Amino acid sequence: SQTIHQWPATLVQPVGSPLSLECTVEGTSNPNLYWYRQAAGRGLQLLFYSVGIGQISSEVPQNLSASRPQDRQFILSSKKLLLSDSGFYLCAGTRPGVYNSPLHFGNGTRLTVT
Amino acid sequence: AQSVTQPDIHITVSEGASLELRCNYSYGATPYLFWYVQSPGQGLQLLLKYFSGDTLVQGIKGFEAEFKRSQSSFNLRKPSVHWSDAAEYFCAVGVRDSSYKLIFGSGTRLLVRP
Repeated sequence: SQTIHQWPATLVQPVGSPLSLECTVEGTSNPNLYWYRQAAGRGLQLLFYSVGIGQISSEVPQNLSASRPQDRQFILSSKKLLLSDSGFYLCAGTRPGVYNSPLHFGNGTRLTVT
Repeated sequence: AQSVTQPDIHITVSEGASLELRCNYSYGATPYLFWYVQSPGQGLQLLLKYFSGDTLVQGIKGFEAEFKRSQSSFNLRKPSVHWSDAAEYFCAVGVRDSSYKLIFGSGTRLLVRP
């Protein structure tokens, strides 16, 4: 089965500082990977997804970017954080090429921008 | 466009009472539907999923959901709620286009009265 690791669990960063959140996957080769953001009362918003190394699709325009330097590594970044970037960030993965597979989630990173 | 609506932001039930959480989806093709549960500060855990076949699906922790195509609904039910069921519940639809991703509803927070 697939296991998603995320770190850090919590992060407090000042406005204008850079961000790097890392997600790694165990148990599946070439997984589809996703970054979601959860804001209070607004459910989960899909930010990025990736079907392979170097392949990133962005779902919403924003201050963030994503990269996939290795098969099982997915990174969420920002050069300069905004207050509006605060939220709970979840990495998820699923098996490749299976179009009815549930997503497996990591435990999330709580980001507070001050 | 694909979407998922969970009309109830909060629901409070007494322990031992029955529960129904509502979910409506909008998707042009045959939907793949999921229910997830999230405890505070944690990632999401899959409760159950529907792909095809029997429209009543059983999940973990005594939950079940019924797919009703005519109503575009996938409501989650449990006959007798336990205090440990207090959490946030998310309904999601699997969307297949150039890739595969899950679109989530905004969630329903369940409170359980002792």
